[in-house]
Amino acid sequence: ETGVTQSPTHLIKTRGQQVTLRCSSQSGHNTVSWYQQALGQGPQFIFQYYREEENGRGNFPPRFSGLQFPNYSSELNVNALELDDSALYLCASGGPNTGELFFGEGSRLTVL
Amino acid sequence: EDQVTQSPEALRLQEGESSSLNCSYTVSGLRGLFWYRQDPGKGPEFLFTLYSAGEEKEKERLKATLTKKESFLHITAPKPEDSATYLCAVQENTGGFKTIFGAGTRLFVKA
Repeated sequence: ETGVTQSPTHLIKTRGQQVTLRCSSQSGHNTVSWYQQALGQGPQFIFQYYREEENGRGNFPPRFSGLQFPNYSSELNVNALELDDSALYLCASGGPNTGELFFGEGSRLTVL
Repeated sequence: EDQVTQSPEALRLQEGESSSLNCSYTVSGLRGLFWYRQDPGKGPEFLFTLYSAGEEKEKERLKATLTKKESFLHITAPKPEDSATYLCAVQENTGGFKTIFGAGTRLFVKA
């Protein structure tokens, strides 16, 4: 077990709505990153936070935003949901000097 | 642009039939190459980190190797419980920890 927990595990939204996904990182890990994984694909990097500041972003529009809090928790917010946003959203934490990531079980989002 | 390509997309083996998975990558400067295992409906699980060409890592029936352009995950005498998707990922050394994943190889091991 990685110590990374995500909530909710599953949710259904309709197009145009907004969603907030939550993650509790492993204690001591001050980086958190979020990934989107479509069915049959590898995880796609959304963004990363280090010490509560965004320090890397993938090719995702601004309606994908995030926050990292001092207590090792973080959020992914997605506004104006589109059908193509349906995917597994993964949160991963890592230490400051190692590259390996420790993933949560993911939040499965379905947009109707 | 950084790219990671994995082959084959799917691999079906009999129990005990050894094989290899390939990961070819293009990155401006490699900080590390990673292998993960992902079971259906679960998050990826870290397996190995390789940092430089010639490096090898082993764990049970798995062995990962690295060259300047590709990495191999060798599976020796696989068992049905090795069935999973194996993901390869790279990080570049230009700051931050952006990790680029390949699409994965789905491995099926039949008893």
